[in-house]
Amino acid sequence: QVQLKETGPGLVQPTQTLSITCTVSGFSLTSYYMQWVRQTPGKGLEWMGFIRSGGSTEYNSEFKSRLSISRDTSKNQVFLKMNSLKTEDTGVYYCARDSAMGYWGQGVMVTVSS
Amino acid sequence: NTVMTQSPTSMFTSVGDRVTISCKASQNVGINVAWYQQETGQSPKRLINWASNRDTGVPDRFTGSGSGTDFTLTISNMQAEDPAIYYCLQHKSYPLTFGSGTKLEIK
Repeated sequence: QVQLKETGPGLVQPTQTLSITCTVSGFSLTSYYMQWVRQTPGKGLEWMGFIRSGGSTEYNSEFKSRLSISRDTSKNQVFLKMNSLKTEDTGVYYCARDSAMGYWGQGVMVTVSS
Repeated sequence: NTVMTQSPTSMFTSVGDRVTISCKASQNVGINVAWYQQETGQSPKRLINWASNRDTGVPDRFTGSGSGTDFTLTISNMQAEDPAIYYCLQHKSYPLTFGSGTKLEIK
């Protein structure tokens, strides 16, 4: 069955870089878009960006200058990296599958604090 | 950006009630709308895709309708397990945008 699971650091200091991995099973990354969405107290659910089945990416301009999405198809993993973190980046980060987000991971809580 | 204006923000309902949640898009999004249910502490679960297609396993009391700019999620017979926050999503244009959510509670 389709499964997605995010893993990440939990706590990140301001100005540092966030790295989260989404490990998937039950399908191939070369067949589906993979999305990143976050949920913060200030802005609710926000689409961050995606990587297409072919490997190209699309980003929300709100994050474009500091966000990178990539993948390793051999390991069934998708990666989110975001730099210059601020306290308002605190929230839950999700990966989701396909353009209409039919499957979601459990999410990983990220706290940005010194 | 396409703004998805969702209403109401919250409401109290009773078991057996018919509940209607609205999402209005600031521009035409066709039928590129999905609806999600998020229970406390859980990730969102998609209920409806392409505005009106119920996902596998979703009870038929959940119905989506609309096209263009006006969309509705209806729960025909509110059940005790339905309290949650409900969100709409447009995936027609970038950036993809969510509604602000509707919190449904049981009286």
